[in-house]
Amino acid sequence: GAGVSQSPRYKVAKRGQDVALRCDPISGHVSLFWYQQALGQGPEFLTYFQNEAQLDKSGLPSDRFFAERPEGSVSTLKIQRTQQEDSAVYLCASSTGTDYEQYFGPGTRLTVT
Amino acid sequence: GDSVTQMEGPVTLSEEAFLTINCTYTATGYPSLFWYVQYPGEGLQLLLKATKADDKGSNKGFEATYRKETTSFHLEKGSVQVSDSAVYFCALRHTGANSKLTFGKGITLSVRP
Repeated sequence: GAGVSQSPRYKVAKRGQDVALRCDPISGHVSLFWYQQALGQGPEFLTYFQNEAQLDKSGLPSDRFFAERPEGSVSTLKIQRTQQEDSAVYLCASSTGTDYEQYFGPGTRLTVT
Repeated sequence: GDSVTQMEGPVTLSEEAFLTINCTYTATGYPSLFWYVQYPGEGLQLLLKATKADDKGSNKGFEATYRKETTSFHLEKGSVQVSDSAVYFCALRHTGANSKLTFGKGITLSVRP
């Protein structure tokens, strides 16, 4: 079956622009996670949804970062007024529920110039 | 807070050599421990896991044992292949409402024919 998909795969933004990154989880997966992976580092947790409820956003680095999952399926991570330090790969993962295996998408590589 | 420390890389081995990648962690309680692998051009995927002390996870010839006394989860393989060339990440996760993963920095393994 289809895995987790993310779009776009690559995004170049000028500093100060807003961007929106999309995640399509595996069908039926109630849990959805966003991670940020800087170059040469491991992924770091950003936020977590269970269905449409955002239960943890403790990893979002600033109020410029916003995530939503309005219908409990597709999720969008939005970054406003992008800065160079936002350049990273943004990973989405989904799972059937708490404590189950997380399946990762291919990531969106964001470059802010 | 939780943290995962991996040995510095990269690591280059000849085919059929023995592999050890060190991983230690700092965490409260009894987290589950994981190794994830990222092959070139692909997304993160779970390689193996262990959920309690002295458990051994294994997959594709790789093994790791959950050692609570040394807070370690070292990855081993007796005979590496060229196809094992990838980036390897050690991670931990607590059970509960937000099962976010905490990753190490990752280590790149290159296996020469």
